[in-house]
Amino acid sequence: NAGVTQTPKFRILKIGQSMTLQCAQDMNHNYMYWYRQDPGMGLKLIYYSVGAGITDKGEVPNGYNVSRSTTEDFPLRLELAAPSQTSVYFCASRLESQAFFGQGTRLTVV
Amino acid sequence: GQSLEQPSEVTAVEGAIVQINCTYQTSGFYGLSWYQQHDGGAPTFLSYNALDGLEETGRFSSFLSRSDSYGYLLLQELQMKDSASYFCAVDNQGGKLIFGQGTELSVKP
Repeated sequence: NAGVTQTPKFRILKIGQSMTLQCAQDMNHNYMYWYRQDPGMGLKLIYYSVGAGITDKGEVPNGYNVSRSTTEDFPLRLELAAPSQTSVYFCASRLESQAFFGQGTRLTVV
Repeated sequence: GQSLEQPSEVTAVEGAIVQINCTYQTSGFYGLSWYQQHDGGAPTFLSYNALDGLEETGRFSSFLSRSDSYGYLLLQELQMKDSASYFCAVDNQGGKLIFGQGTELSVKP
C-alpha cells in the first residue's frame, strides 16, 4: 500500500493562476481531508469528505474547491491564487479513529 | 464552532515525564486524538480517546475527561527524538476532524 499520495510536492504559482493539488489513497477509506498549515501554526481544515460524492466545508474554505468522484481521489482546486494561499497543504484519509497523512504540497504564490 | 487550546511550547529533559494538556469546545463530540509532527513533515497518529480514562501505548499515554472537555498526552522516559510538535484533534459529528494549534516539545540533554 502506498497510503496517501500527494502531488506535486512543491509548486510556485503566480498571483491569479489556478492549479489542482492531487490526493489519492489506496486504503479504501471513506473519510478524506484537506488541511493547510502555515509556518509555526496548526492544521486548518479546508474541506472534507465522508464518501464519494459528498463534500463539506471546513474552517477555511474560501478560495478553494474540491470534488470526490471516487473513493480514492480527493483533488483540491485553487482558483485565482493569492499570496495568502502560500502554505503547506496536507491531505489525509481516515479509518475509524486514525488519520493517515500525505507528505504535503509546499505551495508558494508570488 | 469548535476550538481547542494547548500550550504553545513545553521544554523537558531527557528521561523526564511531560504532560501536554488540551481543552476543547465542540458540539457532537466523538473523541480526542493526538498526532506528532517532526519538522513540518507529515503528522502521524499517536492515540485516540473516545471514553473517559487513560489509554496507554508504550511510553505514551493519553487521558480524556468528557465532562471537563479536557485531555492530555503524557510522554514518559523522554528521548531526544521526541522533540517535535504535538497536536490534539477533536473528532466530532459528521466526520469533521479539527486540530489544535500544536505544542512544540523541546527535549534537552
